[in-house]
Amino acid sequence: EAAVTQSPRSKVAVTGGKVTLSCHQTNNHDYMYWYRQDTGHGLRLIHYSYVADSTEKGDIPDGYKASRPSQENFSLILELASLSQTAVYFCASRRQGSNSDYTFGSGTRLLVI
Amino acid sequence: GEQVEQRPPHLSVREGDSAIIICTYTDSATAYFSWYKQEAGAGLQLLMSVLSNVDRKEEQGLTVLLNKKDKRLSLNLTAAHPGDSAVYFCAVGGSALGRLHFGAGTQLIVIP
Repeated sequence: EAAVTQSPRSKVAVTGGKVTLSCHQTNNHDYMYWYRQDTGHGLRLIHYSYVADSTEKGDIPDGYKASRPSQENFSLILELASLSQTAVYFCASRRQGSNSDYTFGSGTRLLVI
Repeated sequence: GEQVEQRPPHLSVREGDSAIIICTYTDSATAYFSWYKQEAGAGLQLLMSVLSNVDRKEEQGLTVLLNKKDKRLSLNLTAAHPGDSAVYFCAVGGSALGRLHFGAGTQLIVIP
């Protein structure tokens, strides 16, 4: 079964610290995405990638970096975590040719204090 | 850029009644339309997707209507049951890179 696995499931980080959120997919999908979800808002795109070793900026990339070292793995990096980055983060993957059919991970709940 | 508005933000219906959620979008080039369901503490699950050449699609008690003239997408849950209680998101996109723009979500509660 196609799967997207995120780790950790939840994390508490200190302001100014570095945070790395990991995503692993076994779908053999080319495209991967990082979204954040805030209460009362839809999902907003942070970074995405359509091939290994390449990442693209989404709509809200400031304060985030992304890394796609292989087709299966896509990481989101917060170099200097801030209070405003408290949110739930979702990773998703999609196969080429299936433009609206995403497979989502279960999310990472990040609290920055 | 694409703007997606979803309403209502909260919806309560009795078991067996219909629940209708509506999204409007702004970009006439939008070509891909989806509905996702998010249960508590979980990720989003794809319910149904349609292409722009489809006006109506029905599957397992769900009906998606697409009105491209009015740039409106709707999801109708016929005969809702308590297991349908969740947050529902519309998502639309138009580029080959598959970037989707999501609505803000509708919290649906189905009362037994």
